[in-house]
Amino acid sequence: KAGVTQTPRYLIKTRGQQVTLSCSPISGHRSVSWYQQTPGQGLQFLFEYFSETQRNKGNFPGRFSGRQFSNSRSEMNVSTLELGDSALYLCASSFPEVAGASETYNEQFFGPGTRLTVL
Amino acid sequence: AQSVSQHNHHVILSEAASLELGCNYSYGGTVNLFWYVQYPGQHLQLLLKYFSGDPLVKGIKGFEAEFIKSKFSFNLRKPSVQWSDTAEYFCAVTMFSGGYNKLIFGAGTRLAVHP
Repeated sequence: KAGVTQTPRYLIKTRGQQVTLSCSPISGHRSVSWYQQTPGQGLQFLFEYFSETQRNKGNFPGRFSGRQFSNSRSEMNVSTLELGDSALYLCASSFPEVAGASETYNEQFFGPGTRLTVL
Repeated sequence: AQSVSQHNHHVILSEAASLELGCNYSYGGTVNLFWYVQYPGQHLQLLLKYFSGDPLVKGIKGFEAEFIKSKFSFNLRKPSVQWSDTAEYFCAVTMFSGGYNKLIFGAGTRLAVHP
């Protein structure tokens, strides 16, 4: 099975620009989560999508948004980039969960990440 | 607030030394617990996980972790480290929020093993 893929792998932007990152989950996975990884902060949860719906969101400003398509592929968008947005953005996918399950959780499989540098 | 704490940010060991990395979380509900590892230039990958049952879980490459519910801890151990264990280690805990589970990561521990 192919793993989680993310494109592009590297990106350089300037302040004020916007950027779109893409994630293709493992075939059959319907849940996609996004994380921001910076030195010293670890992985900060951005949001999770399941069946094209955002069902969980971290504490990031509205400049960070995402969406999921019917084939489970997901994109995240960052508008009006700031220097502090420089980070490794990771996408993770997991197996389908039973809708509304509260105590079950499935392992997340991570992609290689997109390294975003904001100048 | 729901959080995961990893007490050691940087650990330096010599080969064959024993390793223990601490992880504590703040959440009173049912949790699932994970340790992920990120080798230099590689993806995050799962080292081991705990969902239920025996609180001592064994993972890949000789790693193990013990869930102590009363201490809200899930420490990672390895009796004898190798140079190839040099990596960053992340503890992660699922916490129930907004109707679904959310995976919360600790800040990570960078391990350097010297030959």
